[in-house]
Amino acid sequence: AQKITQTQPGMFVQEKEAVTLDCTYDTSDPSYGLFWYKQPSSGEMIFLIYQGSYDQQNATEGRYSLNFQKARKSANLVISASQLGDSAMYFCAMREGNNAGKSTFGDGTTLTVKP
Amino acid sequence: GAVVSQHPSRVICKSGTSVKIECRSLDFQATTMFWYRQFPKQSLMLMATSNEGSKATYEQGVEKDKFLINHASLTLSTLTVTSAHPEDSSFYICSASLGGGGNTEAFFGQGTRLTVV
Repeated sequence: AQKITQTQPGMFVQEKEAVTLDCTYDTSDPSYGLFWYKQPSSGEMIFLIYQGSYDQQNATEGRYSLNFQKARKSANLVISASQLGDSAMYFCAMREGNNAGKSTFGDGTTLTVKP
Repeated sequence: GAVVSQHPSRVICKSGTSVKIECRSLDFQATTMFWYRQFPKQSLMLMATSNEGSKATYEQGVEKDKFLINHASLTLSTLTVTSAHPEDSSFYICSASLGGGGNTEAFFGQGTRLTVV
């Protein structure tokens, strides 16, 4: 079974609107971390936000927030007030506590922000 | 956050030659670094885990003789693509973390775009 599933290959959003990028995960490890990265066309991986499996509250970082629903094993990224510079590929990733720090990535979602 | 520097950012080489890519943690010591490969519009696929002072651990299907990994110090890991062929053309990216747990962030290098002609 795929450990990280991103079901939206591509998403469009109007500038200044909010958008949700979906991510579901699968693990039996009680200790894990969920990460979202942005990858612009230049290729660098830009860390956006982190959610730990034991965190009680949803993570927020500026315009980014993570909608963490542990029972459903989902960790959706919400970007508020979209900007043209948000257009990029977005990856959801998981690191399991017993997996020596390896990151497993989803297939990614290409977000396009329309003016 | 911590800084991981990868060099070169782009390289073009002739078929049959070898190419070395460096990954350095600039402001922290990384006992473990990871090498990923990414084809256009696709996800990052883990190739190998690089452990300082010991042999790298390769993922299934990755040729260890093709992709040589050396982690000679706590701040440097290198990936050498030996006898490169056009099918090795890809984006290679490394990462390093401050620890091995699930709650520690991984820091990524800028990536290396390899083109074999």
